[in-house]
Amino acid sequence: AQKVTQAQTEISVVEKEDVTLDCVYETRDTTYYLFWYKQPPSGELVFLIRRNSFDEQNEISGRYSWNFQKSTSSFNFTITASQVVDSAVYFCALSENYGGSQGNLIFGKGTKLSVKP
Amino acid sequence: DTAVSQTPKYLVTQMGNDKSIKCEQNLGHDTMYWYKQDSKKFLKIMFSYNNKELIINETVPNRFSPKSPDKAHLNLHINSLELGDSAVYFCASSQVGTGLGGYTFGSGTRLTVV
Repeated sequence: AQKVTQAQTEISVVEKEDVTLDCVYETRDTTYYLFWYKQPPSGELVFLIRRNSFDEQNEISGRYSWNFQKSTSSFNFTITASQVVDSAVYFCALSENYGGSQGNLIFGKGTKLSVKP
Repeated sequence: DTAVSQTPKYLVTQMGNDKSIKCEQNLGHDTMYWYKQDSKKFLKIMFSYNNKELIINETVPNRFSPKSPDKAHLNLHINSLELGDSAVYFCASSQVGTGLGGYTFGSGTRLTVV
């Protein structure tokens, strides 16, 4: 069965520190999709990144970077030089394969990141 | 223009009442979903519709009934509301066939049953 584990329930850092949020997934599909979403205190779910299982290249977007390693079934997310505005709950999610494309999203339990000034 | 819009944003109601939450997407996506986020922030799929057809129906009380009049709309009707139904309900959409893009979520409906 598909499963996403975010072992870190809460992380607290001081502004400008780097922080890595861990995500480990389980799936029997050979084709799958991985996602990260941000949920700020205002409550909406903000899409950050989508990766398919055939693309193991790491990605960098500004202060954000993602490390996808199929060998360890991990898709970790690093924020460099964290800022107070990064404070949010971050969700890692896995999409099952459905008809050759993405299906339903299975979420991890989220990691609450608090960045203090 | 809002891509996925849900109404209402907040809903406070008494136990035993029946209520509906509406969702509309203007992205041309063929698949829509309802997710429930409980008080511990855990997000879980409830239903999924592809081109108006139900494709996922998780273990949800049958007091919850989704309705999709067309592929741009997926409404959620809840009968005989219970205290445990209090949660945030998110609607989402995606385009399954092409495998492109992610899932777009609405801003959520916070349901409080008193």
